[in-house]
Amino acid sequence: KQEVTQIPAALSVPEGENLVLNCSFTDSAIYNLQWFRQDPGKGLTSLLLIQSSQREQTSGRLNASLDKSSGRSTLYIAASQPGDSATYLCAVRRRMGTGNQFYFGTGTSLTVIP
Amino acid sequence: NAGVMQNPRHLVRRRGQEARLRCSPMKGHSHVYWYRQLPEEGLKFMVYLQKENIIDESGMPKERFSAEFPKEGPSILRIQQVVRGDSAAYFCASSRLRGQLMNTEAFFGQGTRLTVV
Repeated sequence: KQEVTQIPAALSVPEGENLVLNCSFTDSAIYNLQWFRQDPGKGLTSLLLIQSSQREQTSGRLNASLDKSSGRSTLYIAASQPGDSATYLCAVRRRMGTGNQFYFGTGTSLTVIP
Repeated sequence: NAGVMQNPRHLVRRRGQEARLRCSPMKGHSHVYWYRQLPEEGLKFMVYLQKENIIDESGMPKERFSAEFPKEGPSILRIQQVVRGDSAAYFCASSRLRGQLMNTEAFFGQGTRLTVV
């Protein structure tokens, strides 16, 4: 059974710092991995999608890496801003089957202090 | 992800009442997935539906919960005789075709927050 873990559970940094969020998963037979952002009381906003054959994806100040063999992904946020404060979720998509597609971590709650 | 519409956004029910949550998938999407997010927990899969078919309901509680996705209209997640433990955020996602889902980003709705008092 796929289990997804995110550490740290919470992170507080001063504005301008670069930071790394971690995601690990137990079953490397994934199709892709997706990072989401969730603001309090809101839905999920997709940030980056990495296919299993890729090593990294970049969008603006965000860079996500994937090491499928070791079951790890990182989300790097450069020059953090207060507007980045949110919960960040990673989700892995399993490779086979017709049922559940996504396994989510419990998230990292990020606070960027002005 | 604004294309997946869920309503209501917030729903308050007393214990023992019924809750109906609706999800309208993105245009052209015929597959819907429901997830539940309990306080301080991650999103957990509940059910996967195709038009007029339940493909996988392995994540649904055995009692009181049911889901449907009729030929016309939104997908409905129904919770009968709600209890306090049902209080959570319920999210749905949609996709076009099973195969295409694999190559695309997941599109989630904004969720329905159910509070049982």
